[in-house]
Amino acid sequence: ETGVTQTPRHLVMGMTNKKSLKCEQHLGHNAMYWYKQSAKKPLELMFVYSLEERVENNSVPSRFSPECPNSSHLFLHLHTLQPEDSALYLCASSHSGGAVETQYFGPGTRLLVL
Amino acid sequence: AQSVTQLDSHVSVSEGTPVLLRCNYSSSYSPSLFWYVQHPNKGLQLLLKYTSAATLVKGINGFEAEFKKSETSFHLTKPSAHMSDAAEYFCALYSGGGADGLTFGKGTHLIIQP
Repeated sequence: ETGVTQTPRHLVMGMTNKKSLKCEQHLGHNAMYWYKQSAKKPLELMFVYSLEERVENNSVPSRFSPECPNSSHLFLHLHTLQPEDSALYLCASSHSGGAVETQYFGPGTRLLVL
Repeated sequence: AQSVTQLDSHVSVSEGTPVLLRCNYSSSYSPSLFWYVQHPNKGLQLLLKYTSAATLVKGINGFEAEFKKSETSFHLTKPSAHMSDAAEYFCALYSGGGADGLTFGKGTHLIIQP
């Protein structure tokens, strides 16, 4: 596989469930990002990892917990979510932590919280 | 503070006619600006980016954009629309200052009439 892949592509969960989103990049990049895309709202940056260290956390609620075990993999652990967390979650990667470098996006995971 | 405003939520053009998608920005630093396209059920794909070199930037699929500092604008154009151009288009900004993610506009939905 090439580029940035995300699994699962669709996820339905209850508010008491725990689930994880997975992102994998095959581009040799060393920075990875999580964005949230909600209807009628701009994409929101959630987390940035550079060289596997978290460098940005845009005041995201603690029910979202990121994990970056290596430069190719990024996870978003979800627990006790709210219905307003339903959205498309996009992962991206780039060559460095600087966003001047082009970010390459995965197809997203569409999450529905019931 | 930085922000991106996409002036039109929807733009409809006939196939073969010019496309104009408008983007204005606000930034405390010298910005880098990007246009991304998102087709249904796909991730974002970079069309073009401006990083303080030539103010007229050419991208993929015949798109181009002009950076106008005096007008704080970065409008996207294409001389002749094709049916395959129908998609959501996002303008994004990176202005440094310690943040490594992109700031996105709300998007413009481009409709191509046959």
